[in-house]
Amino acid sequence: DQQVKQNSPSLSVQEGRISILNCDYTNSMFDYFLWYKKYPAEGPTFLISISSIKDKNEDGRFTVFLNKSAKHLSLHIVPSQPGDSAVYFCAASEYGGTSYGKLTFGQGTILTVHP
Amino acid sequence: EAGVVQSPRYKIIEKKQPVAFWCNPISGHNTLYWYLQNLGQGPELLIRYENEEAVDDSQLPKDRFSAERLKGVDSTLKIQPAELGDSAVYLCASSFGQGFNNEQFFGPGTRLTVL
Repeated sequence: DQQVKQNSPSLSVQEGRISILNCDYTNSMFDYFLWYKKYPAEGPTFLISISSIKDKNEDGRFTVFLNKSAKHLSLHIVPSQPGDSAVYFCAASEYGGTSYGKLTFGQGTILTVHP
Repeated sequence: EAGVVQSPRYKIIEKKQPVAFWCNPISGHNTLYWYLQNLGQGPELLIRYENEEAVDDSQLPKDRFSAERLKGVDSTLKIQPAELGDSAVYLCASSFGQGFNNEQFFGPGTRLTVL
């Protein structure tokens, strides 16, 4: 079963506009959520994270929003730049139990930012 | 500072042949992860090491996959014999500690093609 889902395989945005990437999860034990960015032929790199005790975390042009009741999070990129074109993965982790520290990833969304 | 190093970057083999992947984590990182990434999917954890101990290998298909991290530094993942369905990217990651908020740093991966 897919516990973390990114239902949009791709997103195309104009430079300077906002990019919104969405992620849904089903496991209510997830406490920590992360976004990773991946360029071709490279490994994923950490972008931003949010703990379940917060509903928003901001880092420069990147903001992650968490809606626990809806089991939904989103990544906002404002303004979008051509260098942001990459695959974005949503990931989730549990704070405790046997899965402590284990990351569960979504399928990824390909973001293309057009000049 | 060098990142996570993986070799080879690409490997093409015929089915039923053995194959091995090598990973050298970031210096000082005691936690090492092997992930499998199928085309169009996010990474899936195969095995996680804390120093030389495999603390989570529940997702490793033990009939054909094996891994070792003998001195708690570099690691090898082996498949014997390889099957067509093993064609994927094998990612190695490392972190300082295995906490849910310990950032995982990924290597570039090994792309395996089984013919």
